Order: sequence, then C-alpha cells, then structure tokens
Amino acid sequence: DAKTTQPNSMESNEEEPVHLPCNHSTISGTDYIHWYRQLPSQGPEYVIHGLTSNVNNRMASLAIAEDRKSSTLILHRATLRDAAVYYCILRVFNQGGKLIFGQGTELSVKP
Amino acid sequence: DTGVSQDPRHKITKRGQNVTFRCDPISEHNRLYWYRQTLGQGPEFLTYFQNEAQLEKSRLLSDRFSAERPKGSFSTLEIQRTEQGDSAMYLCASSLAGGRGWTEAFFGQGTRLTVV
Repeated sequence: DAKTTQPNSMESNEEEPVHLPCNHSTISGTDYIHWYRQLPSQGPEYVIHGLTSNVNNRMASLAIAEDRKSSTLILHRATLRDAAVYYCILRVFNQGGKLIFGQGTELSVKP
Repeated sequence: DTGVSQDPRHKITKRGQNVTFRCDPISEHNRLYWYRQTLGQGPEFLTYFQNEAQLEKSRLLSDRFSAERPKGSFSTLEIQRTEQGDSAMYLCASSLAGGRGWTEAFFGQGTRLTVV
C-alpha cells in the first residue's frame, strides 16, 4: 500500500496559519493526494485533495511539490475547532479508491 | 440526505456473542467501505463493495467477520464469537465511483464496540 509520512503532532496558535507537511516519496503518477481530518469522537471528514496542481477550497489549501513527493496542507487561520488528527492519504486508482490511513498528525490549537 | 448513518452508535457485548452493525450510505453512492479503528490509531481498511459486490477484503477480516450489501444500498457487518480484541470503533464510508475515479468518501459516526 502507498505510504505517507507525517509528524505525530503539531501545535498552533489560534488565528495563525498552520502548515501540515506530508512526505509520499513512493507516489505514482495516478495516485491522488487526499487529506482527511478526524475530530474527537467523530468519523473522518474530507478536507481537500489534488493530483498535481495546488488546490484551494473553503476549508484549506493544498500545496503539492513539483516532483509530487511531498505536499503541505495549509489552514489559513486556525481556530479551536480545527484541533483534530489530520491524515494525508494516497488514494490509489487501481485499488478501488480505498483510503489507507497512517498515524496522522494531531494538531492542537492554543487560544 | 443526512449523510452516512450507522447503527447502533455503541454496543457492549459479552465475549463469544455475535454482533451485527448496520450502515446506511448516501443514497446515490455505489461504493461502500468498512474500517476499524482502535484507540490512538488511524482507521484500518476492512472491506469494500461496489453496489452489492464485495470486491476486496483485508487480511484483517478474519473468518469470524462477514459483510453484506444485499441490494446495493445498506450494508451489515457481522462479527461472530466476539473476542476482546474486537473492541474498536467500526466506521463505514461511502463514495460515488465512476469512469474518472471517485468522489470524496463520506464517513459515518461509527459504531463503538466493547467486548467484555
């Protein structure tokens, strides 16, 4: 299964930007980079995904390195409600679209 | 549509008993996934369906586990002869798959199983 590497935990201050890194050096050409987050006692929630180009949506931005071996999820202004575990996942086209979760990064946000 | 719903939310059972969980996906979604999550770990893939066909089963899915999606709508996950190691959160997700890939997956709130 395609693997990603993320820091175990990160801290941020409220209303400051947060950059969550992810390494995926074994990515192949058809693998999509997905980010999900999981709030305490909730199921995972979709955040954003991309293939090659940087992506923006109402929740976050995704910056993808030119060689696609790494990516960064950017939360532009962290709020207390953004405290969660963030998972960077490679969604592999020929594996039925299943999501293979790693350990994720636990983000804490300080007021 | 209210999203993916799972029932029950919590289940406590005695070791050796059988349990069954239900997942109702988003109505137009043809893909349905089951995951298991233990404390402090990311969700682990168990199995997935395309409509009513079960297309992949993880090695984690022992013979005591069986999943069905009889009419391509709701799905059930049954665990027979439960063991304490089965205690976990069981998550269901659905997405829409087509020729160019899939939509994002939507997860339910999960069923928390405790085997005593």
